[in-house]
Amino acid sequence: KAGVTQTPRYLIKTRGQQVTLSCSPISGHRSVSWYQQTPGQGLQFLFEYFSETQRNKGNFPGRFSGRQFSNSRSEMNVSTLELGDSALYLCASSLVGSLLAKNIQYFGAGTRLSVL
Amino acid sequence: QQPVQSPQAVILREGEDAVINCSSSKALYSVHWYRQKHGEAPVFLMILLKGGEQKGHEKISASFNEKKQQSSLYLTASQLSYSGTYFCGTEGNSGGSNYKLTFGKGTLLTVNP
Repeated sequence: KAGVTQTPRYLIKTRGQQVTLSCSPISGHRSVSWYQQTPGQGLQFLFEYFSETQRNKGNFPGRFSGRQFSNSRSEMNVSTLELGDSALYLCASSLVGSLLAKNIQYFGAGTRLSVL
Repeated sequence: QQPVQSPQAVILREGEDAVINCSSSKALYSVHWYRQKHGEAPVFLMILLKGGEQKGHEKISASFNEKKQQSSLYLTASQLSYSGTYFCGTEGNSGGSNYKLTFGKGTLLTVNP
């Protein structure tokens, strides 16, 4: 079974630009979560989607947005990039994502975004 | 609120044991443990659920004290392949905590020959 696929693996952008990252979950998984990883803060939750609906959101500015398609693939978008947005962006998929389902998340290798 | 992990870093020789702790100030439904090697995706190790159920790795064990909101990961007879950063992720059981894992900052484990 193929794992979680994130594209692209690396991105270099300049301040003020916009970026879109893509995540294809494991086949059959319907929940996709996004995390930002930086050396100082570790893994920070961005948002979670299930059946095209955002069910939870972390404490990030509105410049960070996401969406999920009917095939469970997800994208996240960051507008008006700032230097501090440089990070590894990870997505994780799980079957259902609910507390009752003993939610195990499987991570992709991430997209490393550098903002110059 | 972010769980607190301790220690921040630990260095072992092959064959030695280690314990990594994870503590939360909020009531928890589950604790998830992951290991991440440099440049790679975090890999699932263990999930501990309120009520005592565990699922995870054969050579790694963990405990979950629900009353104290604490979990510990036990690595016994460490191998070189155990090196990496270990993260605990906590899942709350109240609104706003659903459908998300809140991760600690990680514990860097280095196993030397």
